[in-house]
Formats: sequence, C-alpha cells, structure tokens
Amino acid sequence: EIVLTQSPATLSLSPGERATLSCRASQSVNSYLAWYQQKPGQAPRLLIYDASNRATGIPARFGGSGSGTDFTLTISSLEPEDFAIYFCQQRGNWPPITFGQGTRLEIK
Amino acid sequence: EVQLVESGGGLVQPGGSLRLSCAASGFTFSSYSMNWVRQAPGKGLEWVSYISSSSSTVYYADSVKGRFTISRDNAKNSLNLQMISLRDEDTAVYYCARDMWVGNGMDVWGQGTTVTVSS
Repeated sequence: EIVLTQSPATLSLSPGERATLSCRASQSVNSYLAWYQQKPGQAPRLLIYDASNRATGIPARFGGSGSGTDFTLTISSLEPEDFAIYFCQQRGNWPPITFGQGTRLEIK
Repeated sequence: EVQLVESGGGLVQPGGSLRLSCAASGFTFSSYSMNWVRQAPGKGLEWVSYISSSSSTVYYADSVKGRFTISRDNAKNSLNLQMISLRDEDTAVYYCARDMWVGNGMDVWGQGTTVTVSS
C-alpha cells in the first residue's frame, strides 16, 4: 500500500500570502495524484488531478506540480475562502486508493 | 445539475447491517466508475470501495473486505453499499464519489450519509 505523507500538518498564513503544501508518496505514483479541499461539514472538492491539472471551475491561483514521489499544491495568493483542509490522493498503484492525512490551512 | 445524493445511514449496533444508497442525476451514470469514501469523526478520508461502470470490476479496502459489498443499478442510476458485521470503527460519514471520465480524480461527491455503530 502506498502511504502519502502531507506536510505541514497545519499551515498558518494570512490572506494574500502564498501557500505551499507538500505530499510525499512512499513509492512512485507517476503523476496519478489528486488534491482535494474540504471545508467543515462539506464534502471534499476536487482541485487538481493528475498532479498538475486544475479541475473544472477551480481558480487559477491553485496550482499543482510534481511527479514520482514528491508533489506540491500551491495557492498563489490566499483568499479568505481558501482556509480549509487539503488532502492528496494517489491512484498510481491501486487498489487501494490512498489519501494523505491532510494539511489544515488556517488564518494567521 | 450533476448530483449525487446518499441515503441509508443511521445508528446500528455492533454486528448489525446497513445498506447505503447513492442516487445519481444530471449525467450518464452508466458511463462512470464510482467509489465509496468514508471519514471517521475528526479524521481524514479513507477509500472504501470501487466499482467499474459495468460492474465487471470491484475493489475493496482491506478494512472492509468480506463485510461490505458494492453494487450498482445503471437502469436506476443508483450505487449501493451493503454493510454487514459492522464494527465501532466503521462509524463515519460515507460519501459516494464519481471517477473522472478522463483523468485520475473523483470529481463529483455526494453530501454524505452518517453511519454510527454503537451499542
């Protein structure tokens, strides 16, 4: 089973700042990595698929990069609605599909 | 509007059974593979099960294998999860989620249904 490790666990930033979230896989997942945003009481929302492709309707301030074992989600300039929990998920070697433990992005 | 709506959650005793359903609308359900993903209270996301568009391929997480059965009825646009021998650790919000047509991601999610296993 591929283990995804996200860092940091919590990221405290202010609106307008740049956010960089990391996801590291225990073995290569090629580019089969997705990122999701989840707000309290809501279902997850797909942001990025196949490491670097924005999902439909996702603002351009969200960007994904990486391949193999190291991936990054970047939010170029934080908006108030971006403060949430972010999960990465792999499908490079499945089953099982696995998720990272999440990064909480909080307002500083 | 593309939509997934789960139902069937509730309170069940350990060892009991429950059947979850997910009603799909606004898209050609029979063309998409589907998943169940769960989230225990205050925890992260855990993939539970996958079913291909034609039901020819199904997969399960080890934690539920032998206890949960995924199925679908393309004529009724519905996805199901039959759960037996439920354990305390199965307590979670259960989401159904659609696989992308092209690309690796789950692009449509339901609002979730809550399963509580407790005596």
